[in-house]
Parts: sequence; C-alpha cells; structure tokens
Amino acid sequence: ETGVTQSPTHLIKTRGQQVTLRCSSQSGHNTVSWYQQALGQGPQFIFQYYREEENGRGNFPPRFSGLQFPNYSSELNVNALELDDSALYLCASSFSEGSYNEQFFGPGTRLTVL
Amino acid sequence: AQSVTQLGSHVSVSEGALVLLRCNYSSSVPPYLFWYVQYPNQGLQLLLKYTSAATLVKGINGFEAEFKKSETSFHLTKPSAHMSDAAEYFCAVSRIYGNNRLAFGKGNQVVVIP
Repeated sequence: ETGVTQSPTHLIKTRGQQVTLRCSSQSGHNTVSWYQQALGQGPQFIFQYYREEENGRGNFPPRFSGLQFPNYSSELNVNALELDDSALYLCASSFSEGSYNEQFFGPGTRLTVL
Repeated sequence: AQSVTQLGSHVSVSEGALVLLRCNYSSSVPPYLFWYVQYPNQGLQLLLKYTSAATLVKGINGFEAEFKKSETSFHLTKPSAHMSDAAEYFCAVSRIYGNNRLAFGKGNQVVVIP
C-alpha cells in the first residue's frame, strides 16, 4: 500500500510569484486536506476536498486555491506569494465514509518565499 | 469552533523519567482527540486517538493518554523516556461527524537529557 506522497520536497520562490504543490493520496482514499505549518507552530487547516469538491475551508485568503482530480490526487495553488507564506505544507488523505476518518499525512513540501 | 491548548513549548525530560505533555480542548460538540509526533524534516505520525470508546487510550512507542471530559483534557504520558522520543508533539481535535478537519495545538518540543 502506497502512502501519501508530496512533491516537490523543497522549493524557493520570490514574493509575487505563484506556486503549485502536489499530493498523491493513499490508495483507496477519497478525501484530501491541506495544512500550513509555519515555523514553530502547529499545522493550520487550509481546505479539504472530497470527491473533487471543496468541503470546508479554514481562514485563508482566496489566493490559496486547490483542485482534486478523479484519481483523488490534489494540488494546492498559491498566487501572489507573500513572505509569510513560507512554511511546511502538509497534505493528508482519508476515506470519508462513516463517522471516523483518520487522516494520513504526507512528508510535506517546504516552501521558502524570498 | 474547536481548539486545543498545549502549554510549555519546550519540555525537557531525563532519560528514563516520566514524559507528561498536557492538552486541554475546547469543543461545542463531542470531540475526537489525537496526539501526533513529528520528527525533524518529516510529516506527522499518529501516536494515538480517542474516538469515544475507552477513555484510556494506548498508542505506539509506549505512549498513552486519558480523556477526561470533566477537565476537558487529553494529556499524553509515557512512563520512561527514551532518547528516540526527542521530537515535536501535537495535540489535535476534530468533530465526530462531517468535515474531519483537525485543529492543532502549538506543539511541545521534547528534549531528552541523557
């Protein structure tokens, strides 16, 4: 069974640029959640996708957007990058049927904005 | 809204001593509660979870936690610390039904002193 994978591992961008981060769900999972973890902080929920539709969003501006594809992989897009967007971005997948849906996390993408 | 509070960002413990990490939650609905561990440059690994079954939950690596509704707490303990326990630990809460987004605490960085 393949776990959650994310790409790239690291990347460096400059302020104002756009970035796309990618996540492949664990086999059999239909839900992907994205989290932002700033240095020294706990992860913050960005949004979740369930069967290709957004299913909840945290307190992040519209320049943070996402997609989920028919194979349940996902992308996180951030436009007009700001210095404060520098963080570890974590993707988590789960199978959302029934009352309890454990999330399995990928290793993250470290984004540095200069 | 749901939230968790973890006090004391850095926790130092001697090898062989008790590890105690405190977590208090706030939730308007019955919660699910989790403890995650994060090693340097890695994603999050689930240590244990409370999902409304037994209040004393045993997890991996000898950790356990007790759900106390009257105290709104879910403290993490391990009787004897090992050097390999040096990591960052996060408490998290989610709702039982609907979107399973996780709300994390700020984390505890555990340092094990030989």
